This record gives sequence, C-alpha cells and structure tokens, in this order.
Amino acid sequence: KAGVTQTPRYLIKTRGQQVTLSCSPISGHRSVSWYQQTPGQGLQFLFEYFSETQRNKGNFPGRFSGRQFSNSRSEMNVSTLELGDSALYLCASSLQGYIQYFGAGTRLSVL
Amino acid sequence: GIQVEQSPPDLILQEGANSTLRCNFSDSVNNLQWFHQNPWGQLINLFYIPSGTKQNGRLSATTVATERYSLLYISSSQTTDSGVYFCAVEQVNYGGSQGNLIFGKGTKLSVKP
Repeated sequence: KAGVTQTPRYLIKTRGQQVTLSCSPISGHRSVSWYQQTPGQGLQFLFEYFSETQRNKGNFPGRFSGRQFSNSRSEMNVSTLELGDSALYLCASSLQGYIQYFGAGTRLSVL
Repeated sequence: GIQVEQSPPDLILQEGANSTLRCNFSDSVNNLQWFHQNPWGQLINLFYIPSGTKQNGRLSATTVATERYSLLYISSSQTTDSGVYFCAVEQVNYGGSQGNLIFGKGTKLSVKP
C-alpha cells in the first residue's frame, strides 16, 4: 500500500506570493491533518479534514487555508507569504483521526 | 490546552547502550503516539499507545494513563537510532478523534559508534 505522498518536496517563494501544497493520503484514509514544523515553535497543528469537512483548526492566521477533495486528497494554501512561514509542512492521514501516518513533507523557503 | 513535556532534550549514547525517554502530559488523552524523525524530516510511526505496554524489536513503550506519562525504551542502541524522538497526544474528545496531535519538543538522540 502506498504511503502518504506530499508534493512538491521543496519550494522557494518570495514574500507576498502564495503557495499551494498537496497531500495524497493512504488509500482508504479519510482524515488528513496538516502540521507546520519550525526550529522555534516545533510541530504545530494547522487543521484537519475528514470527508471534505474541516473538523478542527489550530491557532494560525487566516492566510493559512485548506481543503479536501472527494478522493480525500488535500491541499493547503498560504497566501501573502511572510519570512516566518519558512518551515517544513507535514501532512498525515488516518482512518478516523487516531493513528496518523506522515508524509515526507514539503520544505518551504520564503525569501 | 494540554501540555506535553519530553525529557531529556538531548541524549548521547555509545552504540549498544540502553536508554529511556519520557513524555509527561497534563490532561487525559485518548491518543498517544511515539515517532522517530529521520534526518530528512519524515516522521516514522513507532507506537500508538494511549495505555499499556507494547514491544517492537529493540523498542518498547509503556503508557500509564492514570499518571499521565509514557516511556519509550531503546535497547542495544545502534547508530541508525539517531534522530529526534517525538511524543504526540490528543486530548480526550468524547466525539472521537479529530486528528489534532499536540507534540512535545522532542528528544534528540545521538548514538556514537
């Protein structure tokens, strides 16, 4: 069974641009969670989607948004990028939210 | 919100040594996972262990939910065990899990040959 796939793996953007990251969950998994990892703040929860509905959201500004499609694939979008958005973005999938399996991440650099 | 504290923050071992990593959490949980983050950043599942004891090869874990802590044991450590170990929990939600893991700051393990 294929694991969680995140694309792209690396991304370089400039301040003010927007970016879209993609996550394909393990087949059959309906829950997708997104996390941001930075050296200063560690791993922080962004949001979670289950069957195309956002069930939970972390403490991030509205510039961070996401969605989930009917095939459970998920995207997250960050608008008006700031230098502090440079981070490793990880997504995880699970059947119903309990045991989460992570993708390899997208490393975003904002210049 | 729930607080997760991991100790020690850093650990240096000689190959072959044993170690114990600790995770304390401040409230009842219905989800607790241990992860190993490899040098490329991927989080590898080690254990899903909201309570009880599990073993997988040289690794084992115990969670005492009533006392709000979990332990990860690594025996006969190898250089490939190096990396950061994270404990992550989800606070009890009577509606079921909502995929919201709260992570500790991790224990950075270095195993020297």
